[in-house]
Amino acid sequence: AQSVSQHNHHVILSEAASLELGCNYSYGGTVNLFWYVQYPGQHLQLLLKYFSGDPLVKGIKGFEAEFIKSKFSFNLRKPSVQWSDTAEYFCAVSLGQNFVFGPGTRLSVLP
Amino acid sequence: DTAVSQTPKYLVTQMGNDKSIKCEQNLGHDTMYWYKQDSKKFLKIMFSYNNKELIINETVPNRFSPKSPDKAHLNLHINSLELGDSAVYFCASSQDIVVGGNEQFFGPGTRLTVL
Repeated sequence: AQSVSQHNHHVILSEAASLELGCNYSYGGTVNLFWYVQYPGQHLQLLLKYFSGDPLVKGIKGFEAEFIKSKFSFNLRKPSVQWSDTAEYFCAVSLGQNFVFGPGTRLSVLP
Repeated sequence: DTAVSQTPKYLVTQMGNDKSIKCEQNLGHDTMYWYKQDSKKFLKIMFSYNNKELIINETVPNRFSPKSPDKAHLNLHINSLELGDSAVYFCASSQDIVVGGNEQFFGPGTRLTVL
């Protein structure tokens, strides 16, 4: 079955630490890839997206993600997190009409 | 300007009642969706409409009935509410798949609590 997995359920970091959240998908065809963020009590907002071209994409708030086709991965990174990055992060894959979210990773940043 | 709006933001009701949630988008998108987010934050697509036509209908009880009067609106009606329906319901819209890659634009969510 087609699926999106995220490596960590809950990540706890101190401010200024580096962040990497893993995302893998199981689709074999051409996909569009996304990372969304959901701050506490809010709706989902787009962080970044990959459709084609440079596999390293930069998003808002200093986030970036790298698409590695051979590994079916689209990991999210940030060199130095802030307390305000505390949120739920969702990886998502679009394949045709289908749009599938991963289970989410909760990031807690300690001040 | 609100791109995707939902009403109400909070909905508290008794088991067995019927309720509706409304969604409107002013982005000119052709496709709209309903998602359910449970207490563990897991997001599950429920329905998708493209130009008022149903294109995705996941395994959802038939107590849930979407209605799309036009391509800017997708309402969700729920009959005979049950405790397990308590969740946050998000509406979303997307542009053409080729141009926009199916990027989802989300509404603020409706927190439904069934007592």
